[in-house]
Amino acid sequence: KAGVTQTPRYLIKTRGQQVTLSCSPISGHRSVSWYQQTPGQGLQFLFEYFSETQRNKGNFPGRFSGRQFSNSRSEMNVSTLELGDSALYLCASSYQGRGLFFGSGTQLSVL
Amino acid sequence: ELKVEQNPLFLSMQEGKNYTIYCNYSTTSDRLYWYRQDPGKSLESLFVLLSNGAVKQEGRLMASLDTKARLSTLHITAAVHDLSATYFCAVDLAGSSNTGKLIFGQGTTLQVKP
Repeated sequence: KAGVTQTPRYLIKTRGQQVTLSCSPISGHRSVSWYQQTPGQGLQFLFEYFSETQRNKGNFPGRFSGRQFSNSRSEMNVSTLELGDSALYLCASSYQGRGLFFGSGTQLSVL
Repeated sequence: ELKVEQNPLFLSMQEGKNYTIYCNYSTTSDRLYWYRQDPGKSLESLFVLLSNGAVKQEGRLMASLDTKARLSTLHITAAVHDLSATYFCAVDLAGSSNTGKLIFGQGTTLQVKP
């Protein structure tokens, strides 16, 4: 079974731009969650989608948004990028509470 | 607010030695997870602990859960260099164990020296 796939692997953007990250979950997994990982704040939950609906949301500003498609693939968008948005963004899929399976992440650098 | 604290945050140990990483959490939780992360890599699931007194072992790693004390431990037996990585514990809020929202500890960076 293929794992969680995230694209792109690396991104470099400048302040004020927007960015879209993509995540394909493990086949059969309907829940997709997004996390931000930084050296200072650690791993922080952004949001979770289940069956195309946002089921949970973390404490991030509205510049961070996401969506999920009917095939369970998910995208995350960050608008008006700030330097502090530089981070590793991890996507994870899950199935019936059996824990999260993480993708390789997208390393975003904002210059 | 659910908080998860790990200690120590950094651990340098000799090969062949034993050590324990502790994970405390502040409110009731249904499940506790342990993950491993190698530098520049993603998180790999190690253990899922579902109930009080649960113990799971894989190779040189053993995890246990005491829900009454809100404490989980990750015990390393006879450490080898390959175990060098950062280890995270994570919990979900009681009643939300089927969702993808986990609260992570700060991580414990383990360095095993030959």
